[in-house]
Amino acid sequence: QKEVEQDPGPLSVPEGAIVSLNCTYSNSAFQYFMWYRQYSRKGPELLMYTYSSGNKEDGRFTAQVDKSSKYISLFIRDSQPSDSATYLCAMSVEKLTFGTGTRLTIIP
Amino acid sequence: DAGVIQSPRHEVTEMGQEVTLRCKPISGHDYLFWYRQTMMRGLELLIYFNNNVPIDDSGMPEDRFSAKMPNASFSTLKIQPSEPRDSAVYFCASNRAQTDTQYFGPGTRLTVL
Repeated sequence: QKEVEQDPGPLSVPEGAIVSLNCTYSNSAFQYFMWYRQYSRKGPELLMYTYSSGNKEDGRFTAQVDKSSKYISLFIRDSQPSDSATYLCAMSVEKLTFGTGTRLTIIP
Repeated sequence: DAGVIQSPRHEVTEMGQEVTLRCKPISGHDYLFWYRQTMMRGLELLIYFNNNVPIDDSGMPEDRFSAKMPNASFSTLKIQPSEPRDSAVYFCASNRAQTDTQYFGPGTRLTVL
């Protein structure tokens, strides 16, 4: 079993919809939780970073961490075509462990 | 800042050949990471350095892979001999502290025929 599980998708939603992306993990030692966004043929870039259970909001993006359930989520409100990318969850104790990524397409 | 710089951006080689990938981290960053990304396995950490010293190479697949960091501004990942299953995108990333945001380079797309 992988330490971090992420639904690979692909996921297609209409513009303006709310998107929910999720990851589960097995290592209770993970302390830091991140979401990276990766556009086609580019390197991943950090989108959200949190180190505690609860919600963190940044504009249209909300990251949610539930340590008791070992479950993290990323919500995108009012999704835009420019949000079309692969979203990778990542978590760490000393080094980052990534999920395999969910490919998201926002349809205009 | 120019960001993390990787070269070449694309590499096509034949099985058995030696491949060298290069990385220049962001100035002032003490940590450097090498990752490999495939559709099947996602993004995997191969090795990381702190202040030019290899800290954890447990992700290096086998002895055919080696990495060096001769100074704070340059690192190489070498595959010798290369095999078709090494085909992937190889990313270099750097950051100031271990739990800080990692900044990724654009990647090197390697194809081994």
